[in-house]
Amino acid sequence: AQSVSQHNHHVILSEAASLELGCNYSYGGTVNLFWYVQYPGQHLQLLLKYFSGDPLVKGIKGFEAEFIKSKFSFNLRKPSVQWSDTAEYFCAVTSNNNDMRFGAGTRLTVKP
Amino acid sequence: GAGVSQTPSNKVTEKGKYVELRCDPISGHTALYWYRQSLGQGPEFLIYFQGTGAADDSGLPNDRFFAVRPEGSVSTLKIQRTERGDSAVYLCASSQGGGLFNEQFFGPGTRLTVL
Repeated sequence: AQSVSQHNHHVILSEAASLELGCNYSYGGTVNLFWYVQYPGQHLQLLLKYFSGDPLVKGIKGFEAEFIKSKFSFNLRKPSVQWSDTAEYFCAVTSNNNDMRFGAGTRLTVKP
Repeated sequence: GAGVSQTPSNKVTEKGKYVELRCDPISGHTALYWYRQSLGQGPEFLIYFQGTGAADDSGLPNDRFFAVRPEGSVSTLKIQRTERGDSAVYLCASSQGGGLFNEQFFGPGTRLTVL
């Protein structure tokens, strides 16, 4: 079955630590990949997206993600997190259908 | 409007009742999506509209769930004979066009609690 897996349920980091959140998907064929963020009390917002081209994608707020087709992965990274990055992060995939499939989310807590 | 809006923000109902959840997409967006997010889970696709028609309703869990978008703008998600398992946050999103390449903009959601 098609699915999106996020490896970490809850990640706790100190400010200035580096971040990597894992995302794997099980779709065959062409995929479009997204990372969304939900800050406490706010809507889901798009962080970055990959459709084609350079597999290293830069997003807002210093985030980036790398699409590795051979590993079916699209991990999210940030070199140095801030307290304001505390949020829930969702990986999402669209494939041949119009529906977007989300992972279960990773809660990031950044300690000041 | 400036963004996707959803009403009500919270809805508490009793088991067996009927509820309607409303979504007002960004003006000019032709595509509209409904998702359901249960506690500790990511959003789960329910239905996608392109204009007035439901282009993909494969995510609706059963025939108690129905959605309409009669004029191609506002959409209403209708749930009949609600069950406790329907309790979740119902999210709406819209995009400029349908298909895979258009960014979806999400509303704040309606938190539905079925007692």
